[in-house]
Amino acid sequence: AQSVTQLDSHVSVSEGTPVLLRCNYSSSYSPSLFWYVQHPNKGLQLLLKYTSAATLVKGINGFEAEFKKSETSFHLTKPSAHMSDAAEYFCVVSLNAGNKLTFGGGTRVLVKP
Amino acid sequence: GAGVSQSPSNKVTEKGKDVELRCDPISGHTALYWYRQSLGQGLEFLIYFQGNSAPDKSGLPSDRFSAERTGGSVSTLTIQRTQQEDSAVYLCASSLEQYFYNEQFFGPGTRLTVL
Repeated sequence: AQSVTQLDSHVSVSEGTPVLLRCNYSSSYSPSLFWYVQHPNKGLQLLLKYTSAATLVKGINGFEAEFKKSETSFHLTKPSAHMSDAAEYFCVVSLNAGNKLTFGGGTRVLVKP
Repeated sequence: GAGVSQSPSNKVTEKGKDVELRCDPISGHTALYWYRQSLGQGLEFLIYFQGNSAPDKSGLPSDRFSAERTGGSVSTLTIQRTQQEDSAVYLCASSLEQYFYNEQFFGPGTRLTVL
């Protein structure tokens, strides 16, 4: 079975400061890992994905994530937060045939001016 | 190009009524997925289709829930005899194929409220 744990339900940062969203996963096999973002009243949008290529993955809007197998982690970072980054972020794992996604509980990001 | 569309965007119904939710995937996407987003349960998988067949229905919470897909395109999720715990946002996603490395593209969702 696979599972995803997002270690923080809420993160508050000041505009211009770094953002770190933490994610740990468990799976018996090499997973595909994704980060999705959901802005208020909007659909889920893919930020980035890891599929066993480079362990440092760059995504849209300046986000990146590093896959660390030894730590079973896939933390999401951004060097400088922008007001438009205020949203909910989901760490997601997929490894089963059929690409059924398992979502973490989400981290809501607040960006203060 | 057009993304995944869902209708209606909002649905309010009375307990015990049946509802149908519709999903139009991205043209050419063979895999289609239904998820549910609720306050108590977060985001959870319901069912997926490869073409018109549903190899995995393991997430459907009860036999009141069913789904079909016709012509390898449009899908309908039906909830019979709705209950208040069915209130949630129902999300549809599609991907080019069903492999685990394929990105899923999500629709805006249907917000279902059962009174």
